[in-house]
Amino acid sequence: NAGVTQTPKFQVLKTGQSMTLQCAQDMNHEYMSWYRQDPGMGLRLIHYSVGAGITDQGEVPNGYNVSRSTTEDFPLRLLSAAPSQTSVYFCASSYGDRRSDEQYFGPGTRLTVT
Amino acid sequence: KQEVTQIPAALSVPEGENLVLNCSFTDSAIYNLQWFRQDPGKGLTSLLLIQSSQREQTSGRLNASLDKSSGRSTLYIAASQPGDSATYLCAVMDSSYKLIFGSGTRLLVRP
Repeated sequence: NAGVTQTPKFQVLKTGQSMTLQCAQDMNHEYMSWYRQDPGMGLRLIHYSVGAGITDQGEVPNGYNVSRSTTEDFPLRLLSAAPSQTSVYFCASSYGDRRSDEQYFGPGTRLTVT
Repeated sequence: KQEVTQIPAALSVPEGENLVLNCSFTDSAIYNLQWFRQDPGKGLTSLLLIQSSQREQTSGRLNASLDKSSGRSTLYIAASQPGDSATYLCAVMDSSYKLIFGSGTRLLVRP
């Protein structure tokens, strides 16, 4: 299994541009989520999905959109990039058992918005 | 709103020392608590997961405890090694199935 994969690894955008961060998993996990990590802070939840066709907002959803058309993929879209969205983005997945779920994380995407 | 706090923010110890990392959370209505390790520039690796009905979990030199009623967890690392140097993050799965992270403890184990 490849686990959780994220592309691209690095990205530089200009203010106002849009882009999609890709996340895929091959473990048949129901639960997928997106986080951002800023210096000196832990991870903050952006959006999450408990299964195909179902998404919900996390702590910091503004400026980001998600969709979950398949179990495997959970892309994160930046509609109009802002410098405040400069961060490292992590995608995670798990089976979906709330009590015993172990989260598997991707390697991250480092995004810079100028 | 669930808040997770980790103390200390940074820790430097000599090799071989036993150490304790602390994590506290404000709302005891959680499904589980997880400890992660993050190496610089890398993703997160799950170390231990404690379900809300459990009191502790062990893996090798690591032992994590959970006191849900007081909103506290500790990660005990025995006989620390330079390879243990990393940032350690704790996170709770709250009642709405969101994973809420602390800001981490940066550990340096000196040879």
